[in-house]
Amino acid sequence: QVHLQESGPGLVKPSETLSLSCSVSGGSISNYYLTWIRQPPGKGLEWIGYISYSGSTKYNPSLQSRVTLSLDTPKNQVSLKLSSVTAADTAVYYCARGYCSGSNCYLGWLDPWGQGTLVTVSS
Amino acid sequence: DIVMTQSPDSLAVSLGERATINCRSSQSVLYSSNSKNYLAWYQQKPGQPPKLLIYWASTRDSGVPDRFSGSGSGTDFTLTISSLQAEDVAVYYCQQYYDTPYTFGQGTKLEI
Repeated sequence: QVHLQESGPGLVKPSETLSLSCSVSGGSISNYYLTWIRQPPGKGLEWIGYISYSGSTKYNPSLQSRVTLSLDTPKNQVSLKLSSVTAADTAVYYCARGYCSGSNCYLGWLDPWGQGTLVTVSS
Repeated sequence: DIVMTQSPDSLAVSLGERATINCRSSQSVLYSSNSKNYLAWYQQKPGQPPKLLIYWASTRDSGVPDRFSGSGSGTDFTLTISSLQAEDVAVYYCQQYYDTPYTFGQGTKLEI
């Protein structure tokens, strides 16, 4: 069973760069599409972007100038960097996998999701 | 961006009664070449990540109780819980995966 786990600092100062990792176990990211989503406390879900197994990326235009996703295939991890953060970037950050059917994986609906990690932006 | 609008924002339903949540997209999420609606529903309980319930607008994910059903096409969709159980108290989200950014509805809080 595939399991995703986000990790990283829980507190980031304004104007700095938020850096998170998503570690995947129980499967290889070599054929996955992995998506990052965030959820401000008490609010809804915002799609940040995805990275494919080949390293191609697509970002939400609202964040595109500040976000970078990257792969570390040997470590079976993906990472998220969000620069110039403000208090508005305070959220639970989730990684999730696009669905797989047999050995083929695709974009689309998200399953499974990691448990999420809360990042607070504050001085 | 495709805007997803859910209604109502919150809903109180008695145990054993039917719950209906609506989701409207600002443009069609029906892909004509395969006649599939690129829409999913998720359930989120407090302190937990969202859990996939339904994809292709009406296909239940494995292990999801059959009291959950999805319907609709094009721009208008519905999630129905036929007989509400206590464990169904949660926030429900629709999501379109027709076009990036893959947007979510604002969520519907379901209470008893």
